[in-house]
Amino acid sequence: DVKVTQSSRYLVKRTGEKVFLECVQDMDHENMFWYRQDPGLGLRLIYFSYDVKMKEKGDIPEGYSVSREKKERFSLILESASTNQTSMYLCASSSPSGGSNEQFFGPGTRLTVL
Amino acid sequence: RKEVEQDPGPFNVPEGATVAFNCTYSNSASQSFFWYRQDCRKEPKLLMSVYSSGNEDGRFTAQLNRASQYISLLIRDSKLSDSATYLCAVHMNSGGYQKVTFGTGTKLQVIP
Repeated sequence: DVKVTQSSRYLVKRTGEKVFLECVQDMDHENMFWYRQDPGLGLRLIYFSYDVKMKEKGDIPEGYSVSREKKERFSLILESASTNQTSMYLCASSSPSGGSNEQFFGPGTRLTVL
Repeated sequence: RKEVEQDPGPFNVPEGATVAFNCTYSNSASQSFFWYRQDCRKEPKLLMSVYSSGNEDGRFTAQLNRASQYISLLIRDSKLSDSATYLCAVHMNSGGYQKVTFGTGTKLQVIP
């Protein structure tokens, strides 16, 4: 069964802390994505990556950075967490091969910044 | 104008009813389209792809109208288990990559 896992389901951090959210997929997918989901705003793309060591900004990259050192792992970093980064964070992966482009999502990390 | 727009609902429908959702997109160069289902406190999961010719999967029918730039999802004979939020996703080539934009989702509540 295909799987995308995220390091934590719930996380509570304080303003100014550095936060790492980890995502691992076991499907050998080339593409990986980080979204945040907020009520009324839907899923918004933060960053994505189409290959190892490659990253592209999404629609709301400010305050975030990413790292993809290995194909299966895509990390989201909040350099200095702020209260407006309290949200549900969803990681996803996909592969263009076969023409599907279906996105497989992890279970999400609900981050609260106090 | 948002790139992808959906009516947030909620749509409250009785069991057995037929319900339809639309999703409009602004960029005519959009290439592929999908419907995802998201249960409360869960991650989105693919429900179905939307093909130019339309496609049907049991009680679910998805259609694409390129001229008017919208996709639709029709659910027949609604079940309680259909209660969820339905997200549309639009893919477009952008700078050599596939850019994906999701709608905000339409909430469906099927009531007994």
